Amino acid sequence: QSVLTQPPSASGTPGQRVTISCSGSSSNIGSNTVNWYQQLPGTAPKLLIYSNNQRPSGVPDRFSGSKSGTSASLAISGLQSEDEADYYCAAWDDSLNGLYVFGTGTKVTVL
Amino acid sequence: QITLKESGPTLVKPTQTLTLTCTFSGFSLSTSGVGVGWIRQPPGKALEWLALIYWDDDKRYSPSLKSRLTITKDTSKNQVVLTMTNMDPVDTATYYCAHRSLVAFYFDYWGQGTLVTVSS
Repeated sequence: QSVLTQPPSASGTPGQRVTISCSGSSSNIGSNTVNWYQQLPGTAPKLLIYSNNQRPSGVPDRFSGSKSGTSASLAISGLQSEDEADYYCAAWDDSLNGLYVFGTGTKVTVL
Repeated sequence: QITLKESGPTLVKPTQTLTLTCTFSGFSLSTSGVGVGWIRQPPGKALEWLALIYWDDDKRYSPSLKSRLTITKDTSKNQVVLTMTNMDPVDTATYYCAHRSLVAFYFDYWGQGTLVTVSS
């Protein structure tokens, strides 16, 4: 069902930088802003990045987002153990009268 | 402080209709620009957007599930109700309701979710 493609997993040691990609198309990422959600184990998703690169209040600045063309990326610098979670990109899609699409999700493991 | 909480049955039988209620506080669905949506997540799988209702009763549905979904609001009770007909075991999932940002289409506040199992 997901139309945004993410790598299933990513990992790093504490302090490292980890990057997660999100690939879409002209009808979603190519023409709308991208959002990122963090889902800690057993909890509801939490908004992490909105409008491509904006952080809600309270989100550490080690999280950053970017977008180029029909792809987007989430970077976590200075990886910490509490960052171990699932991460989902999302965007509005203009096809089929419009729908909100999520990515396939990436599990980040802190080694 | 915005909070949302989902409620409804934890177990439904195949072919039955599921009715879920989202009770929220900290905002009003009569305020211009406000929206509340539903998202689900099958166990171990990705998130899937289902539906959204706006303050002006504009409704949006996932095209793949539109024929089975109905979203309504009760502004006086601060509630949004989602019904899904003809439930199937593949509909087993945690169902979340969430507040749509006033700025753009993203969800800035989420409920804790409620697990619905479809089984005979």
